[in-house]
Amino acid sequence: QQQVKQSPQSLIVQKGGISIINCAYENTAFDYFPWYQQFPGKGPALLIAIRPDVSEKKEGRFTISFNKSAKQFSLHIMDSQPGDSATYFCAANGGTYKYIFGTGTRLKVLA
Amino acid sequence: NAGVTQTPKFQVLKTGQSMTLQCAQDMNHEYMSWYRQDPGMGLRLIHYSVGAGITDQGEVPNGYNVSRSTTEDFPLRLLSAAPSQTSVYFCASSYQGPNTEAFFGQGTRLTVV
Repeated sequence: QQQVKQSPQSLIVQKGGISIINCAYENTAFDYFPWYQQFPGKGPALLIAIRPDVSEKKEGRFTISFNKSAKQFSLHIMDSQPGDSATYFCAANGGTYKYIFGTGTRLKVLA
Repeated sequence: NAGVTQTPKFQVLKTGQSMTLQCAQDMNHEYMSWYRQDPGMGLRLIHYSVGAGITDQGEVPNGYNVSRSTTEDFPLRLLSAAPSQTSVYFCASSYQGPNTEAFFGQGTRLTVV
């Protein structure tokens, strides 16, 4: 019940295309869902986060869609750029200090 | 502004050796944590601390010890290194309370031979 399942494991997208990464959870106590972006040799950095009282949050080219009834949330990267090539992690937190991370998606955007 | 600083960046240990991974933050964050990152397994929580003098176990605590004597520092000790502890280790800190942004260090790549 503590797992966050992330897919796909890897993703290749053409420049200008839309990248979509999906996550699913089971624990209904989770109430904070961040996405982290990690470049090679670096630590993860917060990209965007959502709480379950909204169904969508947009920041620039990055959008989180949240489906509370399905217990799923996804990251959409519009107009994907080669600079977006990185590993993306979804995570969940239920009001404790313990983040549960997904297994990561390695995104490659072709120029 | 240094943020979260981890040392060393790379380390090779022999099986059975002990060592300490250092983590320091200059943001006056109360909460600090250690994760390990393995291929296909994401980030798994090893230990965490909600303030000086307070620590608790995460998902994969076996073989690791932590202490928190100051707000700034949160070292991770490997007691007797094993090949299964070969991984990339990340320290993170965040401001008071859960559901706040976690700031990560740049990681320590540890190889146990």
